[in-house]
Amino acid sequence: EAGVAQSPRYKIIEKRQSVAFWCNPISGHATLYWYQQILGQGPKLLIQFQNNGVVDDSQLPKDRFSAERLKGVDSTLKIQPAKLEDSAVYLCASSLGLDTTDTQYFGPGTRLTVL
Amino acid sequence: AQSVAQPEDQVNVAEGNPLTVKCTYSVSGNPYLFWYVQYPNRGLQFLLKYITGDNLVKGSYGFEAEFNKSQTSFHLKKPSALVSDSALYFCAVRDTSGTYKYIFGTGTRLKVLA
Repeated sequence: EAGVAQSPRYKIIEKRQSVAFWCNPISGHATLYWYQQILGQGPKLLIQFQNNGVVDDSQLPKDRFSAERLKGVDSTLKIQPAKLEDSAVYLCASSLGLDTTDTQYFGPGTRLTVL
Repeated sequence: AQSVAQPEDQVNVAEGNPLTVKCTYSVSGNPYLFWYVQYPNRGLQFLLKYITGDNLVKGSYGFEAEFNKSQTSFHLKKPSALVSDSALYFCAVRDTSGTYKYIFGTGTRLKVLA
C-alpha cells in the first residue's frame, strides 16, 4: 500500500514570497490533515478535511495560509506572503475517517526555510 | 480540553537496557491514545494505539505501552533498547469532543547509548 506522498521535500524562499505544498493521501482515506512542526516541537494542526469539506481550521493563519482539497483526494497548502516564522516542516497526514479508532498516517514532510 | 504531557525532553538509556518514555493525558470521556516515532528528516511513523481492552498494547519494532487509567498515563516501553531506537517520540490523544483531531505532546528525544 502506498503511503502519503508530499512534494516538494525541501523549499527555500525569501520572506514575502509565496509557496505551495502538495499532498496525496493514502487511497481511500477520507480525512486529510496539514500540520506545522517547528523545530523541537510537536506537530500543530493547521487544517483538517473530511473529503473536500473543512472540519477544523481554527489554527490556520487565514491572512496568509490557505488550503484546498477540491476533489476530495489530493490537497494543496499555500502560504502567501511567507514570513520568517513560517520556517518549519509541513506534514500531511491521512486517516480512513473520523472514527476515533482510525489511525493517522504521515507523509515525509516538506521542510520550508524562509530567508 | 483534551491534552497530553510528556514530562521528559530527553531520555538516555544504555543499549540492551529497558526503556520507558512517559506520557500522561487529560481527557473527558474515553481516551484514545497513540504513540508515534520520528526519525531525522522523516515524517511521523505510527507505533501503537490504545482504544479499549487490554491495558498492555503491543506495537511495531518491539515497543509496547501500558495504559493506566488511575494514573492517567500511557507510557511507552521496550524491554531491550537498540541504538537504532534513538529518535523523537510523540504521544497523542484524539479529541472526541468535536472534530476528532489529534493533539500531540511536545515530544521526548530518546538516545540509546552503545
